Amino acid sequence: DQQVKQNSPSLSVQEGRISILNCDYTNSMFDYFLWYKKYPAEGPTFLISISSIKDKNEDGRFTVFLNKSAKHLSLHIVPSQPGDSAVYFCAARTDSWGKLQFGAGTQVVVTP
Amino acid sequence: EAGVTQFPSHSVIEKGQTVTLRCDPISGHDNLYWYRRVMGKEIKFLLHFVKESKQDESGMPNNRFLAERTGGTYSTLKVQPAELEDSGVYFCASSQGATPGQGRGTQYFGPGTRLTVL
Repeated sequence: DQQVKQNSPSLSVQEGRISILNCDYTNSMFDYFLWYKKYPAEGPTFLISISSIKDKNEDGRFTVFLNKSAKHLSLHIVPSQPGDSAVYFCAARTDSWGKLQFGAGTQVVVTP
Repeated sequence: EAGVTQFPSHSVIEKGQTVTLRCDPISGHDNLYWYRRVMGKEIKFLLHFVKESKQDESGMPNNRFLAERTGGTYSTLKVQPAELEDSGVYFCASSQGATPGQGRGTQYFGPGTRLTVL
């Protein structure tokens, strides 16, 4: 039973434009959401997170939006850079120190 | 500060053999997690240690998998005997905090061990 879903397996965007990655979840008990970035042959690297009590969190070029009523979150990358080409995973957890549940990932390719 | 390290980076074994994966968490991190990614799908949770104790092993697929964390430091994950469906990338992660309220810690991942069972 997959509780975190990323329905777009891939996304291609031009350098300088905005990348928008989407994530849906089904478990209303999730209280914290995270985005991880993964390069080939490396482990996932933490990117940005958001608590369920907020609807937006921004860090530089990265902004995460949370819509609890729709059980949906998105990651915006502005402007997109070639180094952003990677697989992005959405993850969620129900308690502070518990397991993460991941989506299947979205492969982002930023073209010049 | 050294990150999470995993050994080996790759392992190729035959069905029925035994393999042991090792994870060294970031120094001082009480929480240690094992995850697995199979065939490019989602990363799935296997188990969670707090220091040397198993906090949650709900993701362990079956009793062919045995995880230990001696002395609350490094951890090993043994697969015995290995089956074809065990192939995948095994990730270890660690985070700070051992008590509720202290643990909004980010999980930091190691590079993974790619296991291939032939």
